[in-house]
Amino acid sequence: ETGVTQSPTHLIKTRGQQVTLRCSSQSGHNTVSWYQQALGQGPQFIFQYYREEENGRGNFPPRFSGLQFPNYSSELNVNALELDDSALYLCASSSGYRNTEAFFGQGTRLTVV
Amino acid sequence: GEDVEQSLFLSVREGDSSVINCTYTDSSSTYLYWYKQEPGAGLQLLTYIFSNMDMKQDQRLTVLLNKKDKHLSLRIADTQTGDSAIYFCADLDNKLIFGAGTRLAVHP
Repeated sequence: ETGVTQSPTHLIKTRGQQVTLRCSSQSGHNTVSWYQQALGQGPQFIFQYYREEENGRGNFPPRFSGLQFPNYSSELNVNALELDDSALYLCASSSGYRNTEAFFGQGTRLTVV
Repeated sequence: GEDVEQSLFLSVREGDSSVINCTYTDSSSTYLYWYKQEPGAGLQLLTYIFSNMDMKQDQRLTVLLNKKDKHLSLRIADTQTGDSAIYFCADLDNKLIFGAGTRLAVHP
């Protein structure tokens, strides 16, 4: 049990809709990273937040956006959903922006139909 | 950009040792990781090694790092059915860069 919790665990959305995924980081951690894991692939880095500021972004379009709150919890928002956005979305928390020990939540399985 | 590669599948008999291999391209890597993912679950951090180390042992797990060849391996001693999962190698470059994962199947 890592102490990183994500909600919801499963979600079904229609193409074109918007979705918000949530992550509560482990106590004492001030960095949250989001990853997308398509079926049969390794996780791909979306972005990272450190002390409420975006601190790195992967190769994802602007319709993927995020937020980190003063309590270091975080949201991932995806607008204009596409079928290819169907994936497991993983949140990881760590202490410090270097991510030396990142602990993952159980993920949110998003299905876009 | 940085890349991490792994073999996709490994099958071992229960009680044998498993060796999962990984290669990476980033010569400035500081930390390299092994994560485990069971079906329908998130990633579990198994162990990691700092780049100035050659080996790290943690109970049944042994990590070997050959920095010259940019090769990382994870050895699981006395492999059990509960070790069946997908194992991901990852390289740290502020963010984690993952391989595609190696599916380990343990059979009686």
